[in-house]
Amino acid sequence: DIQMTQSPSSLFASVGDRVTITCRASQTISDFLHWYQQKPGKAPNLLIHSSSSLHSGVPSRFSGSGSGTEFTLTISSLQPEDFATYYCQQSYTTPRTFGQGTKVQIK
Amino acid sequence: QVQLQESGPGLVKPSQTLSLTCTVSGGSISSGGYYWSWIRQPAGKGLEWIGRIDTRGNTNYNPSLKSRVTISVDTSKNQLSLNLTSVAAADTAVYYCARPTPSERAFDIWGQGTMVTVSS
Repeated sequence: DIQMTQSPSSLFASVGDRVTITCRASQTISDFLHWYQQKPGKAPNLLIHSSSSLHSGVPSRFSGSGSGTEFTLTISSLQPEDFATYYCQQSYTTPRTFGQGTKVQIK
Repeated sequence: QVQLQESGPGLVKPSQTLSLTCTVSGGSISSGGYYWSWIRQPAGKGLEWIGRIDTRGNTNYNPSLKSRVTISVDTSKNQLSLNLTSVAAADTAVYYCARPTPSERAFDIWGQGTMVTVSS
């Protein structure tokens, strides 16, 4: 299985901050890397697919980059509705695997 | 647009079989040739992909669960199903069905999830 490791596991930030989350794959996955946002009691929502493509309807303050084994999700200016848990996921091969999540909390 | 809804018992006894259904509405499960997935999430923990099926019945399972999992599809009912045998407390989780994007990369459509507790 391809292991996905996110860092940090949690972070504290303020509204307006720039936030960066990193995801590393245990082997190369090209750009088969996607990012989700999950709020308590809700299903995950797709933010970014294929490393850097913004999913339809997602605000442009979210962006993604990377290829191979290292990827980042950036929120350029954190908004109140962005406090949530973020997951990366690879679709290079099965089994599909997710990172352990990064919880973005209010400072 | 396509919507997914999971259903099934909320409580299952240890060693028994967990059976869930995902009903697809707003579109045909057969259109697009998608692989439909099951994903679970224990409370306070991360997401685990269980497996997937296409409408021809081709399946892929997570090796960690493969010996206990069966995923099936009923195109006449627009449903997919999950059976997980010999459940234990570690199988307590919210179970989601999900559909990938047309490129079969990310999951862009999710059900709301259904909580299943394994307890006697």
